[in-house]
Amino acid sequence: EDKVVQSPLSLVVHEGDTVTLNCSYEVTNFRSLLWYKQEKKAPTFLFMLTSSGIEKKSGRLSSILDKKELFSILNITATQTGDSAVYLCAVSNDYKLSFGAGTTVTVRA
Amino acid sequence: NAGVTQTPKFRVLKTGQSMTLLCAQDMNHEYMYWYRQDPGMGLRLIHYSVGEGTTAKGEVPDGYNVSRLKKQNFLLGLESAAPSQTSVYFCASRRDGGSNTEAFFGQGTRLTVV
Repeated sequence: EDKVVQSPLSLVVHEGDTVTLNCSYEVTNFRSLLWYKQEKKAPTFLFMLTSSGIEKKSGRLSSILDKKELFSILNITATQTGDSAVYLCAVSNDYKLSFGAGTTVTVRA
Repeated sequence: NAGVTQTPKFRVLKTGQSMTLLCAQDMNHEYMYWYRQDPGMGLRLIHYSVGEGTTAKGEVPDGYNVSRLKKQNFLLGLESAAPSQTSVYFCASRRDGGSNTEAFFGQGTRLTVV
């Protein structure tokens, strides 16, 4: 059975802090790992990672994948209150897209 | 471009009633998914489809049925609703599984079973 485990489940930080979110996985026929941000409604896409060691960046967010150790991290630097959300990690094989439980990030002003 | 549209957005059912949730996508995607989201549990896959006329079970399929008679529509049915099916339901679509593309989500359906 496919498994996606995210940690921590929740964290509270202050504006300006750096946050590191973890996602480990076990899946047959791995194709890609995706990160989504969810603010009360539908998840919105952040990154897709398919190759080890190649960092993807978008503004203050970055992510990297390690296919040997089967994990990914999502970093958020200089956090802002608008970064408060649930961050979801998903892993894709040929057919399914399986999600972890998510990490709830709360950024306090 | 509407993307993925779910109908209805909210619904209250009595225990034992039946209903169908509709998901429609206009992106010509092959793959479609139904998830449920409960507090602290992320998105759990109910059923999925890899093309018109195909369906497959996900990790929590019991109590649900699905159909994909047309490529653009994926229906989720509850034959006899139970309070344990109170949840937020999300539909998603994806071009396919092999091209490593993102999944697009509908806005969700909040279902309460009393």
